[in-house]
Amino acid sequence: DADVTQTPRNRITKTGKRIMLECSQTKGHDRMYWYRQDPGLGLRLIYYSFDVKDINKGEISDGYSVSRQAQAKFSLSLESAIPNQTALYFCATSDRTSQETQYFGPGTRLLVL
Amino acid sequence: SQKIEQNSEALNIQEGKTATLTCNYTNYSPAYLQWYRQDPGRGPVFLLLIRENEKEKRKERLKVTFDTTLKQSLFHITASQPADSATYLCALPPPGGGNKLTFGTGTQLKVEL
Repeated sequence: DADVTQTPRNRITKTGKRIMLECSQTKGHDRMYWYRQDPGLGLRLIYYSFDVKDINKGEISDGYSVSRQAQAKFSLSLESAIPNQTALYFCATSDRTSQETQYFGPGTRLLVL
Repeated sequence: SQKIEQNSEALNIQEGKTATLTCNYTNYSPAYLQWYRQDPGRGPVFLLLIRENEKEKRKERLKVTFDTTLKQSLFHITASQPADSATYLCALPPPGGGNKLTFGTGTQLKVEL
């Protein structure tokens, strides 16, 4: 969905490096999410935010941090990347009025060497 | 916590046939259930939502059923086409409701000519 964009689309980094994945949305949604997807494990929630001042841990938040800089922007940071953080990362949004449906970005493929 | 099971084996069917995918869940009764489609390397796309008081929901060639007694949802694609080939994910809200979806691992559908 072009309304939710993620940068970069692909990233290769080395163990111990700090990296940031960015998500922007033009849908005007207040709720944003970060997921990672691994083969056989499906989508797992890392962090989510229901408003600019609201940050919540998901299922697998260890080793990650987030920043909600504005309603339209939600960034995910890996403070010190490790190889088992190699995965496909997705940002998603939802709106409190049609609250159940989530709209996903195109994903960021991250490889940690 | 809730557990979601989808058949991890790929489903191969012939063009024109009806594809039926299964989503089973345990441990609670969700207020609704969603189905998403995911193409390789892309983010999931919302297809249908069915609520606990709805037995069946249709959208064009898609049909979803929701059996709260069996704790199961069936997703049907009638008159399947090669373009329907993708991975299909079911997703449930947490106990008590909310926006934090839990996704199944998905079932890959391949429609052959």
